[in-house]
Amino acid sequence: RKEVEQDPGPFNVPEGATVAFNCTYSNSASQSFFWYRQDCRKEPKLLMSVYSSGNEDGRFTAQLNRASQYISLLIRDSKLSDSATYLCVFLTDKLIFGTGTRLQVFP
Amino acid sequence: DTEVTQTPKHLVMGMTNKKSLKCEQHMGHRAMYWYKQKAKKPPELMFVYSYEKLSINESVPSRFSPECPNSSLLNLHLHALQPEDSALYLCASSQDGRGWSEQFFGPGTRLTVL
Repeated sequence: RKEVEQDPGPFNVPEGATVAFNCTYSNSASQSFFWYRQDCRKEPKLLMSVYSSGNEDGRFTAQLNRASQYISLLIRDSKLSDSATYLCVFLTDKLIFGTGTRLQVFP
Repeated sequence: DTEVTQTPKHLVMGMTNKKSLKCEQHMGHRAMYWYKQKAKKPPELMFVYSYEKLSINESVPSRFSPECPNSSLLNLHLHALQPEDSALYLCASSQDGRGWSEQFFGPGTRLTVL
């Protein structure tokens, strides 16, 4: 089983849509969980950390399910500017990156 | 100041050249990292410095040589690279010296080896 499994997409959604990404991990010792966003030819930028209790930042909601070993990211009211690749990231003794999910929001 | 800076932004070098990439952070972070990223792939960890000491080397070829002159600076010295080493080289830092905190990335150096 791969350390991280993430649907590469692309997810093509209209503006205003709600879209959700999941990411599963195999290492139950993973300590911390993050979602990063990466625009084309730019560096990854931290979008949000993911906590067991779930956390929300504006239109973005992240959740962690330790029992099933996955994290999720929900984006509500999608904007054109949300178009990017979203990387799920797990921390054990180092960061483990998912392959990224490409999101394209169209007008 | 929440930035990680990297120079140069772009670098083109021949296989016999020697060059260096530079990274700087002034956030007081105690761990710094070098990653390599190829197109449409996630970043791959190369090296980790923790409290200015090399703590992880992910079996990187010796033609890549990291150096941490002080807690704010991280260099990557390049010598006799191959065309397949062309990639985006990303520097990152994290507050926790043991690596147990989120990482912040610099803008990267886009390297082309001819």
